[in-house]
Amino acid sequence: EIVLTQSPATLSLSPGERATLSCRASQSVSNYLAWYQQKPGQAPRLLIYDASNRATGIPARFSGSGSGTDFTLTISSLEPEDFAVYYCQHRYNWPLTFGQGTRLEIK
Amino acid sequence: QITLKESGPTLVKPTQTLTLTCTFSGFSLSTRELGVGWIRQPPGKALEWLAHIYGDDEKRYSPSLKSRLTITKDTSKNQVVLIMSNMDPVDTGTYYCAHRRSSTHFSYWGQGTLVTVSS
Repeated sequence: EIVLTQSPATLSLSPGERATLSCRASQSVSNYLAWYQQKPGQAPRLLIYDASNRATGIPARFSGSGSGTDFTLTISSLEPEDFAVYYCQHRYNWPLTFGQGTRLEIK
Repeated sequence: QITLKESGPTLVKPTQTLTLTCTFSGFSLSTRELGVGWIRQPPGKALEWLAHIYGDDEKRYSPSLKSRLTITKDTSKNQVVLIMSNMDPVDTGTYYCAHRRSSTHFSYWGQGTLVTVSS
């Protein structure tokens, strides 16, 4: 089973700042990694698929990069609605696994 | 437009069997490339993938829960059913179903259903 480790656990930033979230895989997942955003009481929403592709309707301030074992989600300039929990997930093989999440909070 | 919705009991007793139904629209689960998965989330904790079924009826399960899970589909009703046996309080959480193409990630999610396991 591939373990995904996200860092930091919590990130405190202000609106307008740049956010950089990390996801590290215990073995290579090629580029088969996604990022999801989850707000309280809501289902996760797909942001980025296959490491660097924005899902439909996702603003351009969200970008993903990386391959192999190290991946990054970058939010170029934080909007108030971006403060949420972010999860990475791989689809390289079975079982599918998620990271433990990064909470992005307002500073 | 693709939508999914979970339904089932909100409260189950320890040792009982949980049956959840995912009713979807906007696609037909009849081809290999389409699938529906179940993911759960204990309160305040991370997401955990449970099971997946493809349109050709291939099934995949979380190794840690495989002995307790059964996933099936009813193509005519546009439904996927997840059965989890021997429920325990640690199984308390929100259970989601989600749509996925074989070469992508979970693009569409249901709203989730909260299941509490308590005597």
